Amino acid sequence: EVQLVESGGGVVQPGGSLRLSCAASGFTFGDYAMHWVRQAPGKGLEWVSLIAGDGSNTFYAESVEGRFTISRDNSKNSLYLQMNSLRTEDTALYFCTKASGWTSDYWGPGTLVTVSS
Amino acid sequence: EIVLTQSPGTLSLSPGERATLSCRASQSVGENYLAWYQQKPGQAPRLLIDDASRRATGVPDRFSGSGSGTDFTLTISRLEPEDFAVYYCHQCATSPLTFGGGTKVEVK
Repeated sequence: EVQLVESGGGVVQPGGSLRLSCAASGFTFGDYAMHWVRQAPGKGLEWVSLIAGDGSNTFYAESVEGRFTISRDNSKNSLYLQMNSLRTEDTALYFCTKASGWTSDYWGPGTLVTVSS
Repeated sequence: EIVLTQSPGTLSLSPGERATLSCRASQSVGENYLAWYQQKPGQAPRLLIDDASRRATGVPDRFSGSGSGTDFTLTISRLEPEDFAVYYCHQCATSPLTFGGGTKVEVK
């Protein structure tokens, strides 16, 4: 059974940093691309970033380009999102997703990031 | 960036009725790299349809997807009580990947 569990969310001041993690199990982690997708309170879904299975390619939404860095450690079955220079508009529930092709087929429950002074 | 526009924003229907949800892309999504998700309050989204028309594992056959290029449709043939939720379309053809704004299917 595929399981994805995010962690690392919390409250941070504007301009601060946070590192999210996602622990994966139930599939051969390194064989699949992974995404981060976020959802602001009461709003729709916003794709954030994608990393290839071997980590060789990464893609970002324009809203986070240059501030967020996606990475993975296939030896630990883990996905990460380093978030720097956080803004109030980054407040959201952040989901880790497994990709099939580029489609997100499994989602974690999410971890909440709140950027507030 | 490919912009996805979903309509209507809200669909008010009764159980047993047919629901038709639309998703229009600002440019072609190529080889139908279009997916549909269902999201219920307090839950993560669930994949229903990928490649525009292929049902994901375990999805009931009352859900069907159709369309190509820039115009896509999700149809729920007969609404069950558990189908009242928000539905999102999503293109994974090109980066940046994008989602539509969602259609809420509510009980009339």
